[in-house]
Amino acid sequence: QKEVEQDPGPLSVPEGAIVSLNCTYSNSAFQYFMWYRQYSRKGPELLMYTYSSGNKEDGRFTAQVDKSSKYISLFIRDSQPSDSATYLCAMDGQNFVFGPGTRLSVLP
Amino acid sequence: SQTIHQWPATLVQPVGSPLSLECTVEGTSNPNLYWYRQAAGRGLQLLFYSVGIGQISSEVPQNLSASRPQDRQFILSSKKLLLSDSGFYLCASLHRANYGYTFGSGTRLTVV
Repeated sequence: QKEVEQDPGPLSVPEGAIVSLNCTYSNSAFQYFMWYRQYSRKGPELLMYTYSSGNKEDGRFTAQVDKSSKYISLFIRDSQPSDSATYLCAMDGQNFVFGPGTRLSVLP
Repeated sequence: SQTIHQWPATLVQPVGSPLSLECTVEGTSNPNLYWYRQAAGRGLQLLFYSVGIGQISSEVPQNLSASRPQDRQFILSSKKLLLSDSGFYLCASLHRANYGYTFGSGTRLTVV
């Protein structure tokens, strides 16, 4: 089993839809959970981070962590074409462990 | 805030040729620095990390090497490139304030 798994997509949604992006992980020692957004031909940029279980909201984005299920989610409300990108989850270990990314397209 | 400068943006090199990719960091001192390679659909693979000048740790055996000659400079090198070295190379700095990475804009290397 891979340490972090993520649905690779691609995921296509209409503008205005609610998007749910998910990761599962196997290492129960992970404490910090992050989401990165990567536009085509660019480096990833940190979108949100959370510590332990719970929810965190930032504008249209909500990060959710369920440590009991080893499952994290990123919700995007009122999705926009500018949200089209690859989204990578990451977790702390000796060094960060990244998921393979989910490619999202928001269609106008 | 931190800024990572990485160049060149794209590079096409023949098999067997040498490689040198440079990364410099602004806006912080004594950063932890990282080199990642990203292959399509396979996520980010950590290649090297450095916690200080002259200190390099390698995560996977490979045809590449790294050096950190100055506090905010990190270099990825190879003496002889292989076809399998093709990929998207990213330099990153750990941002301790928000516990995240700042990434450079990447170098797309194609070995032909």
